[in-house]
Amino acid sequence: AQRVTQPEKLLSVFKGAPVELKCNYSYSGSPELFWYVQYSRQRLQLLLRHISRESIKGFTADLNKGETSFHLKKPFAQEEDSAMYYCALSGQGAQKLVFGQGTRLTINP
Amino acid sequence: EAGVTQSPTHLIKTRGQQVTLRCSPISGHTSVYWYQQALGLGLQFLLWYDEGEERNRGNFPPRFSGRQFPNYSSELNVNALELEDSALYLCASSPGQFGGNEQFFGPGTRLTVL
Repeated sequence: AQRVTQPEKLLSVFKGAPVELKCNYSYSGSPELFWYVQYSRQRLQLLLRHISRESIKGFTADLNKGETSFHLKKPFAQEEDSAMYYCALSGQGAQKLVFGQGTRLTINP
Repeated sequence: EAGVTQSPTHLIKTRGQQVTLRCSPISGHTSVYWYQQALGLGLQFLLWYDEGEERNRGNFPPRFSGRQFPNYSSELNVNALELEDSALYLCASSPGQFGGNEQFFGPGTRLTVL
């Protein structure tokens, strides 16, 4: 079964502190992993995908197949990072996305 | 470049009625996906269309249906509306089966069933 678990519904950190949003998955095969972000009053948008191995807005995420995890990290949080973050997976190729429940990140000044 | 568009923005219906939601993908994208975001249930996959064909279907009853037109736009139809169908319905598009799986989302249609 395909499943994505984001254990934290809410996460609050201070500006300048490190941030880690956790994501664990269950998938029999080689999944594609994504992080999507939804800022206030904006549409859902792609932040990162594991195959591109990019750093976007200072965020990185490493796929750990042994721990079946894809945690999102940023060393120094900024107030504009406050948003809803969703971890998602799909099979290879164009397929449906399976989303986690999301984590609402709040950066306190 | 225009993003994914959806219409209408908001919709209010009563139980038992039928509704049609519309989605226009990004130009050049052939795949369209529909997701339901109900309160407390997160984003649930509904339907996937590519090149006019239904490719996959989520765990929803048959009263949820749709189609994709030759211009790759799509409709989602929901018959015999129930209160629990109240949700934000998101459409996404991607380049298609051979173009990778980065999905681009529209702003959504908020459906309220009274």
